[in-house]
Amino acid sequence: DAKTTQPTSMDCAEGRAANLPCNHSTISGNEYVYWYRQIHSQGPQYIIHGLKNNETNEMASLIITEDRKSSTLILPHATLRDTAVYYCIVSMDSNYQLIWGAGTKLIIKP
Amino acid sequence: DSGVTQTPKHLITATGQRVTLRCSPRSGDLSVYWYQQSLDQGLQFLIQYYNGEERAKGNILERFSAQQFPDLHSELNLSSLELGDSALYFCASSVEGISNQPQHFGDGTRLSIL
Repeated sequence: DAKTTQPTSMDCAEGRAANLPCNHSTISGNEYVYWYRQIHSQGPQYIIHGLKNNETNEMASLIITEDRKSSTLILPHATLRDTAVYYCIVSMDSNYQLIWGAGTKLIIKP
Repeated sequence: DSGVTQTPKHLITATGQRVTLRCSPRSGDLSVYWYQQSLDQGLQFLIQYYNGEERAKGNILERFSAQQFPDLHSELNLSSLELGDSALYFCASSVEGISNQPQHFGDGTRLSIL
């Protein structure tokens, strides 16, 4: 079973920051938080991952709470092309497998 | 472009048949993963290879098998196909297959069973 809880869907206005929450209250100390997105049946696209500290790259920022039980993915200036299903994944089992949940369907509105 | 190449993009076949899906990982990646995604479902992990050796198995049916070759490309073989095998099949690769390395996905093969 997936070890994360995400909203089923969210809307965001184009140009605004999209903040996608994820709950992972059972996360273990050595497990990373990964974010991927999937645009209409294309291959999942890696966005960002982190362990304890906040992370930022050219696509997004990842904010992990101090107790590591939740995180937020931030897309700073959402565009229509950011409409996708966003998956928050906590790795992994003993074989480093990603366990995928249902994700959040993010719709960016003009 | 993730650098992971999957062929073919689309495959249409009949029940009872056998097909082979191919995956070329990103340059330098040693680990390959196979996933199945049925209509409007999440990804289900099937199997992982690392440098030619099977590392982990997920929800892979006995009718399915895979291998990774010395040049690191991988093939997923599906036999005695059933209607329920219709799905998207994704391949992903990572450098070593450890927990702090992201997996990068190909564009998938869409398999349709008639």
